[in-house]
Amino acid sequence: GQQVMQIPQYQHVQEGEDFTTYCNSSTTLSNIQWYKQRPGGHPVFLIQLVKSGEVKKQKRLTFQFGEAKKNSSLHITATQTTDVGTYFCAGPFTGGGNKLTFGTGTQLKVEL
Amino acid sequence: NAGVTQTPKFQVLKTGQSMTLQCAQDMNHNSMYWYRQDPGMGLRLIYYSASEGTTDKGEVPNGYNVSRLNKREFSLRLESAAPSQTSVYFCASRKGTSAIQYFGAGTRLSVL
Repeated sequence: GQQVMQIPQYQHVQEGEDFTTYCNSSTTLSNIQWYKQRPGGHPVFLIQLVKSGEVKKQKRLTFQFGEAKKNSSLHITATQTTDVGTYFCAGPFTGGGNKLTFGTGTQLKVEL
Repeated sequence: NAGVTQTPKFQVLKTGQSMTLQCAQDMNHNSMYWYRQDPGMGLRLIYYSASEGTTDKGEVPNGYNVSRLNKREFSLRLESAAPSQTSVYFCASRKGTSAIQYFGAGTRLSVL
């Protein structure tokens, strides 16, 4: 079945360091979404990428969709303590319906 | 505008007990979802409802039932709780024209 994997599973960084999480799908995706979940919180939508090779920026966050539309990345420049949380990618379920398959998530911890 | 509201926030059950998790959204969304979240496994879809009166199984439906009572409400029932159902449960809704899912605050369930 469809699988969406993320690496790394955990990442500890010092405040000010950069961070990148990678998302890989076993199938081609029509689009990919990214969500952030703060500790003890719920997932919150960040962004959606649709086009092959698309790059979008939100302040210090840069999102990229691969040329083959099977992978994506999220890069955070100069991390801050407010970036702490788990980042999930999600793609449309290939079996149809209005469903998403979520990645396994990358948990980011930022130390002062 | 409350968004997606889940009740209860916390629950402890004994093995074999039953309970219903409630979810309501006030955004007039057509699609609603139930996920469970376990450490290191991301979000896994239990059931979803594309519209009022319809429901469909997700990735991990065994041991659960759902009811789409009306457009606003989508409940998840555990008929005979098992320790393997200890998890955090999230309800989400999706507007028909958008891929974005909006999540509730979650229900933290422990089955002893």
